[in-house]
Amino acid sequence: NAGVTQTPKFQVLKTGQSMTLQCAQDMNHEYMSWYRQDPGMGLRLIHYSVGAGITDQGEVPNGYNVSRSTTEDFPLRLLSAAPSQTSVYFCASSDGAYSLYGYTFGSGTRLTVV
Amino acid sequence: AQSVTQLDSQVPVFEEAPVELRCNYSSSVSVYLFWYVQYPNQGLQLLLKYLSGSTLVKGINGFEAEFNKSQTSFHLRKPSVHISDTAEYFCAVSEISNFGNEKLTFGTGTRLTIIP
Repeated sequence: NAGVTQTPKFQVLKTGQSMTLQCAQDMNHEYMSWYRQDPGMGLRLIHYSVGAGITDQGEVPNGYNVSRSTTEDFPLRLLSAAPSQTSVYFCASSDGAYSLYGYTFGSGTRLTVV
Repeated sequence: AQSVTQLDSQVPVFEEAPVELRCNYSSSVSVYLFWYVQYPNQGLQLLLKYLSGSTLVKGINGFEAEFNKSQTSFHLRKPSVHISDTAEYFCAVSEISNFGNEKLTFGTGTRLTIIP
């Protein structure tokens, strides 16, 4: 099983550029989410989706957009990159809307904005 | 407000020695508790979880954790560590409101380094 696949693994952007971080899962999970991981701050929820066509904001949504047109894919868009968005981004999926079922995480995208 | 505290940012331990990684939380309602492990350059993996029932929870790779409601703690333990346990460990707390909304909060992580 591929699980949760994130692409790219590494990316360098210039301030003001836009890009899309891709996330795909092959487990037919309804619940998907995006986190960012920063030193000393743990993981913070950016956006999440409880099914195709349904998304909502997490703790730190500003500067990011998401959409969920299929069950498998949940891309994260940076509209105008800023140095404060330098981080490691993780996509996660779950069999249910709650972490009770346990999340499956991708291997991450390391983003640097210069 | 819900919060999770992992007091130790780094823990060095000799191989085959026991280890305890500490996690304390604050919450005004019942919670569910988790430990995740992150190996270098990988995503997080679920080690174990406490939902209800026995306060001693066993997970993968020989780890276990004990839920202590009076001390609001969920410490992770292993009696004998191996080099392969070198990783970062995250404690997480989930609250589900009466409206069905979940708030999952992660601690800042503890980096476990095993010394040969």
